[in-house]
Amino acid sequence: ETGVTQSPTHLIKTRGQQVTLRCSSQSGHNTVSWYQQALGQGPQFIFQYYREEENGRGNFPPRFSGLQFPNYSSELNVNALELDDSALYLCASSPGQDYGYTFGSGTRLTVV
Amino acid sequence: ELKVEQNPLFLSMQEGKNYTIYCNYSTTSDRLYWYRQDPGKSLESLFVLLSNGAVKQEGRLMASLDTKARLSTLHITAAVHDLSATYFCAVGPTLGGSQGNLIFGKGTKLSVKP
Repeated sequence: ETGVTQSPTHLIKTRGQQVTLRCSSQSGHNTVSWYQQALGQGPQFIFQYYREEENGRGNFPPRFSGLQFPNYSSELNVNALELDDSALYLCASSPGQDYGYTFGSGTRLTVV
Repeated sequence: ELKVEQNPLFLSMQEGKNYTIYCNYSTTSDRLYWYRQDPGKSLESLFVLLSNGAVKQEGRLMASLDTKARLSTLHITAAVHDLSATYFCAVGPTLGGSQGNLIFGKGTKLSVKP
């Protein structure tokens, strides 16, 4: 059984650019959620995917979008990057909410 | 809107001492999670509490949930340096809600000094 893996680990982008972050869920987990964690803050829920469909969204603008693939891996896409998008982006997967969520190691995005 | 408040936000302890971190939340929920985060690292799941009165213990940490008071506690017994980290509580939705939508507190940064 493998854990949740994310790539890349670090990324520097320029304001206005677009970025794609990737997550490979833990085996057997059909639900994936994405979170944004600013420095010194708790993670903020972006959205969740269940069986390739978006199944819940937090208070983030439409330029944050995602995909989940049949193998339950997923992507987070952010368009028109802003300086405030600089954060640690975490992916979490779960086989069901009674079991808790396994978080990946995150992608540190810096927008300059 | 569900809000989760942790206190204290910063905690400096001496080794061997006991202390409790509190997590209050504003609306009904019966799912409460505790996580640990080391600097620059991801979140490590500590406890999943799913019912009123739930109590779980692992080593020097014990977590409890009182859904009527909307309160969870994380008790640290005889602290050791290795427990130094930031601890987050997160509240999950009630049945029927979006299961991935965890609302996190701001975290409690714990420093255990020799």
